[in-house]
Amino acid sequence: QVQLVQSGAEVKKPGASVKVSCKASRYTFTNNDINWFRQATGQGLEWLGWMNPNSGNRGYAQKFQDRVTMTRNTSMSTAYMELRSLKSDDTAVYYCARCVGVDCAWFHPWGQGTLVTVSS
Amino acid sequence: DIVMTQSPLSLPVTPGEPASISCRSSQSLLHRNGDNFLAWYLQKPGKSPQLLIYLASNRASGVPDRFSGSGSGTDFTLKISRVEAEDAGVYYCMQALQAPRTFGQGTKVEIK
Repeated sequence: QVQLVQSGAEVKKPGASVKVSCKASRYTFTNNDINWFRQATGQGLEWLGWMNPNSGNRGYAQKFQDRVTMTRNTSMSTAYMELRSLKSDDTAVYYCARCVGVDCAWFHPWGQGTLVTVSS
Repeated sequence: DIVMTQSPLSLPVTPGEPASISCRSSQSLLHRNGDNFLAWYLQKPGKSPQLLIYLASNRASGVPDRFSGSGSGTDFTLKISRVEAEDAGVYYCMQALQAPRTFGQGTKVEIK
């Protein structure tokens, strides 16, 4: 079945950057947008932005506009999310998810999540 | 941003009994194509969210038919006809009508 597999856990110091990968399999990677979300421990889900793997077009939540970059490598069917100038409250599990339906009406499946810990 | 409000936030249920979760949006989720852009997800402990319902009332592939979604505009409901132990977790509604995508606070379903 369609699968998204993310890179492993990261520990970073404040001010550093992190790059999380999301490898797609069992579907045509360029056919569906990839969105990114995060979830702090015990908290709800927060949307970071989207990327179209075919065109490379992307859009970011205003909160992350100046710190996040979403890219892709189509030959590897892999999407990337880089977050810069990390702060302690960026500590969270980061998820990628595949867009489905007209105008990306739902997300399925989700990656397994990548824990990013920001600590001095 | 569209604000999503769920209730209740905690729901203890007895196996075999029904359960219902409400989700309200601050703006109508009716898309120009006539569909309501509302989805429901279940997040089990330590796992990523899994799709249950899309476009307000369509069950995702593999989702048991005890789950049903209804509603239109700003008021939506997820119902479980007979709760099973495996249904424990946090349920989220999400609007997909506009960016940023936003979620309800989550409803924690606990099996008694």
